[in-house]
Amino acid sequence: DAMVIQNPRYQVTQFGKPVTLSCSQTLNHNVMYWYQQKSSQAPKLLFHYYDKDFNNEADTPDNFQSRRPNTSFCFLDIRSPGLGDAAMYLCATSREGGGVDEQFFGPGTRLTVL
Amino acid sequence: GQNIDQPTEMTATEGAIVQINCTYQTSGFNGLFWYQQHAGEAPTFLSYNVLDGLEEKGRFSSFLSRSKGYSYLLLKELQMKDSASYLCAVVDSNYQLIWGAGTKLIIKP
Repeated sequence: DAMVIQNPRYQVTQFGKPVTLSCSQTLNHNVMYWYQQKSSQAPKLLFHYYDKDFNNEADTPDNFQSRRPNTSFCFLDIRSPGLGDAAMYLCATSREGGGVDEQFFGPGTRLTVL
Repeated sequence: GQNIDQPTEMTATEGAIVQINCTYQTSGFNGLFWYQQHAGEAPTFLSYNVLDGLEEKGRFSSFLSRSKGYSYLLLKELQMKDSASYLCAVVDSNYQLIWGAGTKLIIKP
């Protein structure tokens, strides 16, 4: 089945220790997104790629970076995680950009910062 | 600013009908999505409305009134598995997706 895969599902890191979250898709979609979602809050868009064209949201902290080495894979790097970065990180894809396409989400990675 | 308003939490009884409202104030409008999100899981697509009116899809229906900046999601014949958060999201004039915080729906037997 075509899908969006995120690894790991649960990630524990220490305060200030860099961590990388990964996402892959078999849907062959052009657009990939990274969201941060805290409990009972709306998903917050961090980055999105249209193909390899990188788009950084204006209020995404510098502590977050992203890479999309090819169409199928996307990575989220958190350089120095703080306690406030503990959240669910969701990867999503859509066939095209422009916001009007349905987004397909991966199962998410829940990040705990100790 | 841009704003999406949904009730924080609703409770309904198994077998009943529930309506979850969403009002929005955004810079322009290019459509409205409803997503379902079970606790600890990713959102899944339910519906997309861009024209006024009601769209029915099985037990779920979604309504849009662009002039009122208003949508609702109607769930019929509620089942325990419908316990989840329901997220409203609007596409603005820049084709950015603006998300609401979601409505947590609790179903009681």
